[in-house]
Amino acid sequence: AQSVTQLGSHVSVSEGALVLLRCNYSSSVPPYLFWYVQYPNQGLQLLLKYTTGATLVKGINGFEAEFKKSETSFHLTKPSAHMSDAAEYFCAVSVPFSSGSARQLTFGSGTQLTVLP
Amino acid sequence: EAGVAQSPRYKIIEKRQSVAFWCNPISGHATLYWYQQILGQGPKLLIQFQNNGVVDDSQLPKDRFSAERLKGVDSTLKIQPAKLEDSAVYLCASSPRDEQFFGPGTRLTVL
Repeated sequence: AQSVTQLGSHVSVSEGALVLLRCNYSSSVPPYLFWYVQYPNQGLQLLLKYTTGATLVKGINGFEAEFKKSETSFHLTKPSAHMSDAAEYFCAVSVPFSSGSARQLTFGSGTQLTVLP
Repeated sequence: EAGVAQSPRYKIIEKRQSVAFWCNPISGHATLYWYQQILGQGPKLLIQFQNNGVVDDSQLPKDRFSAERLKGVDSTLKIQPAKLEDSAVYLCASSPRDEQFFGPGTRLTVL
């Protein structure tokens, strides 16, 4: 079975500082990896995804993440935090069902990012 | 392109009552998901449909929850009877293949 661990349920950074949100996964098969952002009273919005190929992936709003197989990690970074980045961030791992081509997505417990002025 | 639509956005009921949620996925998306998101936690998959067949419902509490996908398009999720611990946001998502697109969710409060 697959699982996701997000280290730190709450992270605070100053505006303009580096954002680093940590995600480690467990999977018995090569996974697809995702980061989603959720603003209050809204659904989840995809920030970026890794499926195959280049291990450094760039997403929306200046975020990027690097897939490191040896460390089973997929940490999310942004060089300079903006007030509008304050939200909850979820890492997720996707693996195929054994029965076919459909995939199952498993989420971490989330990290609440606060950006201080 | 229209996104995933859900209704209602908010629902307040008393325990032991019934409630139903509706989801209209993005046109052409074969896979539809229902998730339960309890406050402070990540979404938990309840049921996954591929067209109008069930792929996975292993985490659906079948004694009180039911779901169907009509003609492989719209879907409804029902809770009967509701318990206090069912208070959560119910998210619907659809997917053409690798990526899931989420609706705004329905916030259920059970009193």
